[in-house]
Amino acid sequence: QSALAQPASVSGSPGQSITISCTGSSSDIGSYNLVSWYQQQSGKAPKLLIYEVIKRPSGVSNRFSGSQSGNTASLTISGLQAEDEADYYCCSYAGVRTLVFGGGTKVTVL
Amino acid sequence: EVQLLQSGGGLVRPGGSLRLSCAASGFTFRIYAMSWVRQAPGKGLEWVSAISGNGDVTYYADSVKGRFVASRDNSKNTLYLELNSLGADDTAIYFCAKDGGVAYYFDYWGQGNLVTVSS
Repeated sequence: QSALAQPASVSGSPGQSITISCTGSSSDIGSYNLVSWYQQQSGKAPKLLIYEVIKRPSGVSNRFSGSQSGNTASLTISGLQAEDEADYYCCSYAGVRTLVFGGGTKVTVL
Repeated sequence: EVQLLQSGGGLVRPGGSLRLSCAASGFTFRIYAMSWVRQAPGKGLEWVSAISGNGDVTYYADSVKGRFVASRDNSKNTLYLELNSLGADDTAIYFCAKDGGVAYYFDYWGQGNLVTVSS
């Protein structure tokens, strides 16, 4: 199972919106509405941001939103803040109880 | 409060074995599937294994199938991962994670344990 494709880095100024794409295939993202997104601060465990493409766990800022079109999922961060600097990973169910992650995207706040 | 406290990482020689543990608290452990996810130094996340709530069914990534064994002791609220026939490519931080439900996502993570395979 190949990793999902994410841009290596995305940057933006405080207050701006950025979008991170996550491209898979008809075997994973395209077949299931089961994409999740995680934020990983340096040296820490990942934190769940989005699940089932668009759902946000309680306690996660509504500045984070998810979407999906075909084989590509996206995470949008609105009103970018310095604390949003981190690595972001998408993850999709890939059938037969397996999951596949994206390669990760480093977000830099300029 | 949900907590996942990991132990058992360390340095192991190529071909060796190691067992990781993940002690859970703050939720009804036996109800939830649990997973292991690893991260090689400076690299991305890789799903490794999942185990059903009652421990009857396990799933593995192709990269570890036949070498790693996931298990759990619901009487101790503890998840295990036995790593065998280790190679340099297995060097990584290993995270245990609680499945959020039927939608295949991880809502809580352990702190991670570094496993280093080196002679």
